[in-house]
Amino acid sequence: DAGVIQSPRHEVTEMGQEVTLRCKLISGHNSLFWYRQTMMRGLELLIYFNNNVPIDDSGMPEDRFSAKMPNASFSTLKIQPSEPRDSAVYFCASSIQGSYGYTFGSGTRLTVV
Amino acid sequence: AQSVTQLGSHVSVSEGALVLLRCNYSSSVPPYLFWYVQYPNQGLQLLLKYTSAATLVKGINGFEAEFKKSETSFHLTKPSAHMSDAAEYFCAVSEAGNTPLVFGKGTRLSVIA
Repeated sequence: DAGVIQSPRHEVTEMGQEVTLRCKLISGHNSLFWYRQTMMRGLELLIYFNNNVPIDDSGMPEDRFSAKMPNASFSTLKIQPSEPRDSAVYFCASSIQGSYGYTFGSGTRLTVV
Repeated sequence: AQSVTQLGSHVSVSEGALVLLRCNYSSSVPPYLFWYVQYPNQGLQLLLKYTSAATLVKGINGFEAEFKKSETSFHLTKPSAHMSDAAEYFCAVSEAGNTPLVFGKGTRLSVIA
């Protein structure tokens, strides 16, 4: 089992550019969570999906952020346009719905300059 | 709404000494509680979880935690610290396991030789 795979590991982009973060779930997992980690705010839940359906996106900061699950094993988080305050580490995690405890990916460190 | 408070953003212990990391929770329903560890530039790894069974929970790497409802606490302990325990530790809560994890701000553990 390769675990939850995130790409890229690091992303540096200029303000105003579109950024796409990618996440591959563990095979057989059907819940997907996107978290953002910053020094000031810690780990914040952005959005989560069950069986490819978005359940709660109230943590998405604003309309510049969007997330999709085009299939059961893959998700994207897009920021358009990006701003310096979006700089953070973005984690995705997957689980089997109803089980306890997630498996996290290694994260994407995003820097917007 | 559920929440978690971790007392102490940084804890320093000597190698071989007791490790005690404090976590207090707030939840309107019986909580499910978790401890995660994060090593530098890595994702979060599950240490242990409480899911309404035994109140003393044993996890990986010699860690354990005790659920105390009267104190709304779920403190993490390890009898003897090892250099490899130096990391960031996060306490998290889920209401009866049906809601996404809400994380505390984390406690950085340093181990001094």
